[in-house]
Amino acid sequence: QKEVEQNSGPLSVPEGAIASLNCTYSDRGSQSFFWYRQYSGKSPELIMSIYSNGDKEDGRFTAQLNKASQYVSLLIRDSQPSDSATYLCAVSEGAQKLVFGQGTRLTINP
Amino acid sequence: DTGVSQNPRHKITKRGQNVTFRCDPISEHNRLYWYRQTLGQGPEFLTYFQNEAQLEKSRLLSDRFSAERPKGSFSTLEIQRTEQGDSAMYLCASSLVAGGAQYFGPGTRLTVL
Repeated sequence: QKEVEQNSGPLSVPEGAIASLNCTYSDRGSQSFFWYRQYSGKSPELIMSIYSNGDKEDGRFTAQLNKASQYVSLLIRDSQPSDSATYLCAVSEGAQKLVFGQGTRLTINP
Repeated sequence: DTGVSQNPRHKITKRGQNVTFRCDPISEHNRLYWYRQTLGQGPEFLTYFQNEAQLEKSRLLSDRFSAERPKGSFSTLEIQRTEQGDSAMYLCASSLVAGGAQYFGPGTRLTVL
């Protein structure tokens, strides 16, 4: 059973600070990695995708991938109250489905 | 709006009844996925279509569940003889390429009384 592990939180971060979210995965063959944001009662919204080792930046978001350590992270700079949500890490299994972690609940405190 | 759409958004049914959900993917996406999400958990994969072919089904998908994608466009997910344990958010997603980003619809929240 392929697994994706995240700390469920809650993670509390002051407004303006950097939020750091982490994820580990078990399948060494995984090639595609995604971060989704999910507000309460809503569906997951894609915010970052990463396919190769290193960092990928998009606005205030940076995804980091280390395939040797089987580790993916998401950094959110200048955190805003609107960033308060559950963040889901997803890893591709083959080319046909995503395996999700249980999500990390993030709260940004004004 | 060219995103993934799902109908209905909410469904309340009594145990033992049949329900059917519909998903319309992003128009140029030939890959369509169904997931189920319960409170406090990440989405769990149910099934996958490439065009009209159903290529994978999760072991989570009991015989009471069936999915179709006629003509490779919209898809339906039917649950027969619903049970209280079927209460969940049913999510549909679509993608353009294998292993690529999947874009989710708003989901259908099912409550079985």
